[in-house]
Amino acid sequence: DAGVIQSPRHEVTEMGQEVTLRCKPISGHNSLFWYRQTMMRGLELLIYFNNNVPIDDSGMPEDRFSAKMPNASFSTLKIQPSEPRDSAVYFCASSLAGGRGEKLFFGSGTQLSVL
Amino acid sequence: AQSVTQPDIHITVSEGASLELRCNYSYGATPYLFWYVQSPGQGLQLLLKYFSGDTLVQGIKGFEAEFKRSQSSFNLRKPSVHWSDAAEYFCAVGAGSGNTPLVFGKGTRLSVIA
Repeated sequence: DAGVIQSPRHEVTEMGQEVTLRCKPISGHNSLFWYRQTMMRGLELLIYFNNNVPIDDSGMPEDRFSAKMPNASFSTLKIQPSEPRDSAVYFCASSLAGGRGEKLFFGSGTQLSVL
Repeated sequence: AQSVTQPDIHITVSEGASLELRCNYSYGATPYLFWYVQSPGQGLQLLLKYFSGDTLVQGIKGFEAEFKRSQSSFNLRKPSVHWSDAAEYFCAVGAGSGNTPLVFGKGTRLSVIA
């Protein structure tokens, strides 16, 4: 199994530009989570999906952030327009719902730098 | 509200010394507890988890953790630290059903010196 795949690994962009982060969950997993990691705030949940349906997006900081999951094997997190304070590492994680003590499997993250 | 507190931001230990990383949680129901490790530039990898049974759980890489309900704690331990254990460690709590998110602590960075 290839694990959770995120792209790009690194993204450097200028303030005001649109940024799209991509995630391919583990095949067969039906829950997907987007987290943001910063030094100040640690790991914050942005949004999560069950069976491709957004369940809770209360962690999305502003309307500039949006996420989609058009099918079970792909999700995007978009920031438009981007700002320097969006600089962080963005992680995608997936899991298999319905079990007990189910763990999250994390991708390697996307390091975003907004100049 | 669910929350996880890791009181130590950074810990430095000598190679071969014992290690204990602290974790306290607040959760309204029976918690499922996890420890993850993050190496530089990598995602998080599960070290161990607890959801029932024996309160002392064993994980990978020689780590163990003990659940103490009375103290709302789930501290991570290792009897002898190796230089390769230098990383960031995260404690997390959740419902453990797989379709709900985990709440993470802010992490403890472990440095290992010779």
